[in-house]
Amino acid sequence: GESVGLHLPTLSVQEGDNSIINCAYSNSASDYFIWYKQESGKGPQFIIDIRSNMDKRQGQRVTVLLNKTVKHLSLQIAATQPGDSAVYFCAEKSDYKLSFGAGTTVTVRA
Amino acid sequence: NAGVTQTPKFQVLKTGQSMTLQCAQDMNHNSMYWYRQDPGMGLRLIYYSASEGTTDKGEVPNGYNVSRLNKREFSLRLESAAPSQTSVYFCASSVPGLVSEAFFGQGTRLTVV
Repeated sequence: GESVGLHLPTLSVQEGDNSIINCAYSNSASDYFIWYKQESGKGPQFIIDIRSNMDKRQGQRVTVLLNKTVKHLSLQIAATQPGDSAVYFCAEKSDYKLSFGAGTTVTVRA
Repeated sequence: NAGVTQTPKFQVLKTGQSMTLQCAQDMNHNSMYWYRQDPGMGLRLIYYSASEGTTDKGEVPNGYNVSRLNKREFSLRLESAAPSQTSVYFCASSVPGLVSEAFFGQGTRLTVV
């Protein structure tokens, strides 16, 4: 079975609100956890990653949180914009390989 | 800077036909990957090449072969296509020390009838 999964397949957010996308993982040996964004008709695009020995990392308008106790990863997007509408995948890295979850489709309401 | 280029973008095959999906990257990356994406299942790794001259099986290698032609190019071959191989195929590349930041191509949408 999959080692990485997302809690909800869809998320609808009001423009300007903050978004929180969740992911559960099972492989404690992974050394990095990553978030990718995929827009319609395009390949996935790297957003941000976090090393397994960290619990929080911030980027531009995004924050990733890692809770190793409950094996939970989340992506927070501040002030969600229409351009944030996409499918978001969490992934984990082990050796040279990335394993992806099923994805959460985020829709931003005007 | 083209990044990762995949050809073709779309393809329809009949069951039993063979074809090769091409992938080239111009970022001087050592590592390259082939994934397939099916609805509701995320991306699954078919094969990867950690460096030129090496290839390894991923999660779903059955029915596929790969060739790392040189540092730039990594091809995926379907010897006898089956309807179960209908999918969107993505090639990706990365720097070995930065595997988490993989760069993906635009994808090849393959339909096997």
